[in-house]
Amino acid sequence: GDSVTQMEGPVTLSEEAFLTINCTYTATGYPSLFWYVQYPGEGLQLLLKATKADDKGSNKGFEATYRKETTSFHLEKGSVQVSDSAVYFCALSVSGTYKYIFGTGTRLKVLA
Amino acid sequence: DAGVIQSPRHEVTEMGQEVTLRCKPISGHNSLFWYRQTMMRGLELLIYFNNNVPIDDSGMPEDRFSAKMPNASFSTLKIQPSEPRDSAVYFCASIWGDRGTDTQYFGPGTRLTVL
Repeated sequence: GDSVTQMEGPVTLSEEAFLTINCTYTATGYPSLFWYVQYPGEGLQLLLKATKADDKGSNKGFEATYRKETTSFHLEKGSVQVSDSAVYFCALSVSGTYKYIFGTGTRLKVLA
Repeated sequence: DAGVIQSPRHEVTEMGQEVTLRCKPISGHNSLFWYRQTMMRGLELLIYFNNNVPIDDSGMPEDRFSAKMPNASFSTLKIQPSEPRDSAVYFCASIWGDRGTDTQYFGPGTRLTVL
């Protein structure tokens, strides 16, 4: 079945460091790919998405490129801030269906 | 525009009691999801409604769980009787449409503790 695998955390970085959180997927059909972020005590909110191969999603300095050949959607940011500390979830859905599959989440902690 | 609204935000109850969680989706959205989040199992889909009709409840853990959506602006998730293993954060999410390219909008969650 469809699945999402993302790197285990926690990831601890110093402010202004480069961030990569790996995400790979297994899916039938043509999935859309998402990154959601969850701040403490809040629900998940969309960070960025890509709906077809080679698309790049970007928001708030975060980027991820839909790589069909490597079935990956890695999240990157060039310079993290303390305010980026949160849990990041990679997710997929198959076009034409309602189901979303979420990864287990990666906790990011950024130190000042 | 108000987002997805959930109530209560926190619920503490004793084993065996009935618990009702409530959700108001974003106006105009026609699909609604209930999720459960735990450290052990991550985010699990419990049930999905489209146009107020339950489409897939295969994620509902057992008969103690039930969900309803009497109209487009309200849904409930009920646990009766509750057990300590039901302790989790329960999220409601809504989208416009029923296709996987759409963005899900999550509520703030209800943290349930069953003693």
